Parts: sequence; C-alpha cells; structure tokens
Amino acid sequence: KQEVTQIPAALSVPEGENLVLNCSFTDSAIYNLQWFRQDPGKGLTSLLLIQSSQREQTSGRLNASLDKSSGRSTLYIAASQPGDSATYLCAVGGQFYFGTGTSLTVIP
Amino acid sequence: DAGVTQSPTHLIKTRGQHVTLRCSPISGHKSVSWYQQVLGQGPQFIFQYYEKEERGRGNFPDRFSARQFPNYSSELNVNALLLGDSALYLCASSFSQVTSNTGELFFGEGSRLTVL
Repeated sequence: KQEVTQIPAALSVPEGENLVLNCSFTDSAIYNLQWFRQDPGKGLTSLLLIQSSQREQTSGRLNASLDKSSGRSTLYIAASQPGDSATYLCAVGGQFYFGTGTSLTVIP
Repeated sequence: DAGVTQSPTHLIKTRGQHVTLRCSPISGHKSVSWYQQVLGQGPQFIFQYYEKEERGRGNFPDRFSARQFPNYSSELNVNALLLGDSALYLCASSFSQVTSNTGELFFGEGSRLTVL
C-alpha cells in the first residue's frame, strides 16, 4: 500500500521568506502527484499537478518538483505572505493517497 | 462555471442512524470520488465512480455505499452510524477517462458530519 509522508508537520516562518515543503512516498509507480492547500474547515484547493513524466510544474510563486526514483516531491513557495497560511497536502495518484499535511503559518 | 458542490454542508446525527451526502461534479466531469477526512489527518479514499460504475473502493466497511446518477452527480450513504464516522466528507471530480488514473482532482467544500 502506498504510504505518503509530509515533513515537517508544522512550519512557522516570517513574511517574505522562501520555504520548501516535503512529500515522500513509498511506491514510485505513480501516475501523478498533486499539491493542495486547505484552509481550516474548508475543502481542498488544487495548487499544482505533476504528471509522472514531468519533473516540475510552476504557478506564480509556487514550484513543485517530482523525483519518482527517490519517491520525493517538494513544494517551493517564494516570498511567503500571510495569506499563504494554510495546511498543504500532497497526494499521489492513481486513486490518490494523501499525506497528513504541513500546517504553514506565515508571520507578518 | 460552478465548481464541485456538496450538500448538506453540516449535519448532526445520532449513533445508528443513516446519512446521505450529495455531490454534483464540475460540468463535463464524469468521475466522482469520495474521501473521509478526520480532524488532523489527510483525506482517505472511500470510492471512485466513473460513468456510473464503481471503479475503486478504499478500506471502508460495507456500511458505506455510493452511487452515481446519469447526470454524473453522486450520493454517499452511510448506515448504522458510529461515533468514529464523525468527519469531513469530501467529494472530488475529475475529467479523466483513464479508470486507474483520476487525473487532476477538484474538490468541493465538504459535508461536516457529527455523530452523537
């Protein structure tokens, strides 16, 4: 069974700092990997989807990378803002196995 | 265009009761998946439906069932509710026609179920 781990569980940074969130998975036979953001009590908002044949995807201040051979993905957030405060989840597909998330707080 | 819509947003039930949760996918999406998210955990896969057929099932008891209608909307049913069923139930839709690869998932805001 696919196991997905996200480290750290929580992260607090000052505004403007660049940061990296980590996601690791045990089975490298994945179709794709998707990063989400979740605000408290809300649903999940899709941030980036990386297909298995891709190495990275970028959207605005976000960049996600995928290394299937090592079972790792990173989400890079540039110039963090207080509005980035949320829980960030990664999920690996086919039928999407989720990590437990990293709770990010950006301090003004 | 409307995103994924779920109803009800909140509901309270007592142990032993039955609940039905509803989901309407994004227009044009034919795949619907259901997830359970317990507080502090990541979502856990319950079911996937594509073209009205069950394409995947997670490790949940038979008290959980679902179906998809001709308009691609879906219902999740849970019988004989237990305290441990209290959670946020999330519905996701996707366009993908590859049954084992759901493609990009788009989620609704969820239905918060509390079992007393």
